[in-house]
Amino acid sequence: KQEVTQIPAALSVPEGENLVLNCSFTDSAIYNLQWFRQDPGKGLTSLLLIQSSQREQTSGRLNASLDKSSGRSTLYIAASQPGDSATYLCAARGSRLTFGEGTQLTVNP
Amino acid sequence: EAGVAQSPRYKIIEKRQSVAFWCNPISGHATLYWYQQILGQGPKLLIQFQNNGVVDDSQLPKDRFSAERLKGVDSTLKIQPAKLEDSAVYLCASSLGPLGGAEAFFGQGTRLTVV
Repeated sequence: KQEVTQIPAALSVPEGENLVLNCSFTDSAIYNLQWFRQDPGKGLTSLLLIQSSQREQTSGRLNASLDKSSGRSTLYIAASQPGDSATYLCAARGSRLTFGEGTQLTVNP
Repeated sequence: EAGVAQSPRYKIIEKRQSVAFWCNPISGHATLYWYQQILGQGPKLLIQFQNNGVVDDSQLPKDRFSAERLKGVDSTLKIQPAKLEDSAVYLCASSLGPLGGAEAFFGQGTRLTVV
């Protein structure tokens, strides 16, 4: 059974700081790994999708990496802004899409 | 491209009542998922459809939850009777296919409060 863990559970940083969110998964037999953003009371917005054959994906200030063999993925956010404040979820796709508990990010002005 | 549509956005019911949620996936997406997200937790898969057939319902509490996807498009999720612990956000998602590199897209969710 796939288990996905995200560390830290919560993170508070000053504006402008670069930060890394961590995601680990127990079963490396995945098709892809997807990072989502969730604002309070909202649904999930897909940020980045990394296929199992890829090492990383970039979108603007976001960069996600994937190391299947070690069961880890990281989401790097450059030059953080208050608008980045949200919960970030990673999900590993094997036979089903399994989510971690999320990292609640607060970027202070 | 229109996204995944869900309704209602909010619902408050008393325990032991019944409730139904509706989802319209992105056009052309064969796979549809229902997830339950309890406050402070990650989403948990309840059921996955491929067209109008069930692929995975192993985590669906079948004594009270049911779901259907008629004609392989829209889907409804029903709870009958509701319990206090069913209070959560119910998320619908869709993707082109069930496996491989298909990206999942989520709706805004339905927030259910059982009192």
